[in-house]
Amino acid sequence: AQSVAQPEDQVNVAEGNPLTVKCTYSVSGNPYLFWYVQYPNRGLQFLLKYITGDNLVKGSYGFEAEFNKSQTSFHLKKPSALVSDSALYFCAVRDMSNFNKFYFGSGTKLNVKP
Amino acid sequence: DTAVSQTPKYLVTQMGNDKSIKCEQNLGHDTMYWYKQDSKKFLKIMFSYNNKELIINETVPNRFSPKSPDKAHLNLHINSLELGDSAVYFCASSQAGTGISPLHFGNGTRLTVT
Repeated sequence: AQSVAQPEDQVNVAEGNPLTVKCTYSVSGNPYLFWYVQYPNRGLQFLLKYITGDNLVKGSYGFEAEFNKSQTSFHLKKPSALVSDSALYFCAVRDMSNFNKFYFGSGTKLNVKP
Repeated sequence: DTAVSQTPKYLVTQMGNDKSIKCEQNLGHDTMYWYKQDSKKFLKIMFSYNNKELIINETVPNRFSPKSPDKAHLNLHINSLELGDSAVYFCASSQAGTGISPLHFGNGTRLTVT
C-alpha cells in the first residue's frame, strides 16, 4: 500500500530562521512526490514536485525539498522563514499503479512568529 | 481567469435536503476530482473523471452523485444531506498521462448541514 506520513502536526519557527517540514513516504517503485500549501479558506496550491533527477528540487516562494531515497523522505525546507509562510502544508505521493490517485499526508501547520 | 472555480463558496442547509456544487476548470485538463476535507483537515478523494468517464469512485455513500457534462466541468449532487456531510469539498484537475502533472485545486465549498 502507498502512503505518506507527516509526523508533526505543527511546526513553530521564528521569522528569519530556517524551516523544515517533514514527510516520509511508502511506495513500491520510484515515487512521484508533491508538496502543497493551504492558506485559510483557500484550496491547496502546488509548491513543488520530485519526479526524477536532482534530489534537491526548488519550488515556489523560495521553498525547496530534498528527496532522500534511503530514508524514504521528502522534507520541505526554506532557508529563511517569513510570517506569511504560516499555513498548512501537505505532502502527497502519486499512486504509481494509478496516476489518477494521490495519497495525502495529514498536514503540518507551520507557524512563523515575528 | 481563475483556473479551477467552484460554486458556491458556502452552503448552509438542513438535514434531508438535496444540494449541488459546481466546478469548472479552464486549464484544458482532462481529469477532474472531488476531494473531501474533514474538520481535522484530512483530505480524502471521492471521485475522479477522465474525459467525462468515471475512473475513481471511492467508498462514498450513493447519496453522492457526480456528473461530468464535459471534460471542463464536474458537478457534485448530494441527496438527503446528513450532519456528517459537513465538510469542505474541493474540486481539482490535472492532466493525465505521464503522472508528472500536479493537482490544481479550487478554493473549496464549505458545506454546513444543520
